[in-house]
Amino acid sequence: DTEVTQTPKHLVMGMTNKKSLKCEQHMGHRAMYWYKQKAKKPPELMFVYSYEKLSINESVPSRFSPECPNSSLLNLHLHALQPEDSALYLCASSQGSAGWAKNIQYFGAGTRLSVL
Amino acid sequence: EDQVTQSPEALRLQEGESSSLNCSYTVSGLRGLFWYRQDPGKGPEFLFTLYSAGEEKEKERLKATLTKKESFLHITAPKPEDSATYLCAVLIPQGGSEKLVFGKGTKLTVNP
Repeated sequence: DTEVTQTPKHLVMGMTNKKSLKCEQHMGHRAMYWYKQKAKKPPELMFVYSYEKLSINESVPSRFSPECPNSSLLNLHLHALQPEDSALYLCASSQGSAGWAKNIQYFGAGTRLSVL
Repeated sequence: EDQVTQSPEALRLQEGESSSLNCSYTVSGLRGLFWYRQDPGKGPEFLFTLYSAGEEKEKERLKATLTKKESFLHITAPKPEDSATYLCAVLIPQGGSEKLVFGKGTKLTVNP
């Protein structure tokens, strides 16, 4: 089983709202990732958590705040977003981080976010 | 600068017409090359991973190969259900971790 579950599937929010995206995996993976994907573009890495610690932040604006409560869960807290933040947000997980030879990332179905 | 370039951007085939997609890369410290398939509105689906030049992997009508500078995804006798965007990505080190750098993808359409 290589399932990564993301909720909600769709989210519409205003620029003053606070919302959260959730991601869950039960594969025993110790690395989890957030990506942003705009239409007709490839996924762009936002954050990497390795063993529940933030290891990569790709200079993402502070209105996006990641959280990894435990090894199975990953959240992305959203606040004061802009319309240009509308995109498909993808979560992924993999067995480990640096040096792990078979570090395949498995993706969830994504959350389609619209900011009005 | 690490770069991944895929060609062509789009490809239309007739059912049964074999072809190849290309992924060329310029990276430091390659730790692996990955092929994913993505259907509209869905997350990428893992297909193959390749780690060393000369390596080949096969799955149904798909075969992936790797050289020191590029990878090919060969599609033999494609069917309409193979229509999707195919993404190539390289795994590179960053800080104490690793990250995937994606190419822009090839949108494949297979007509019946």
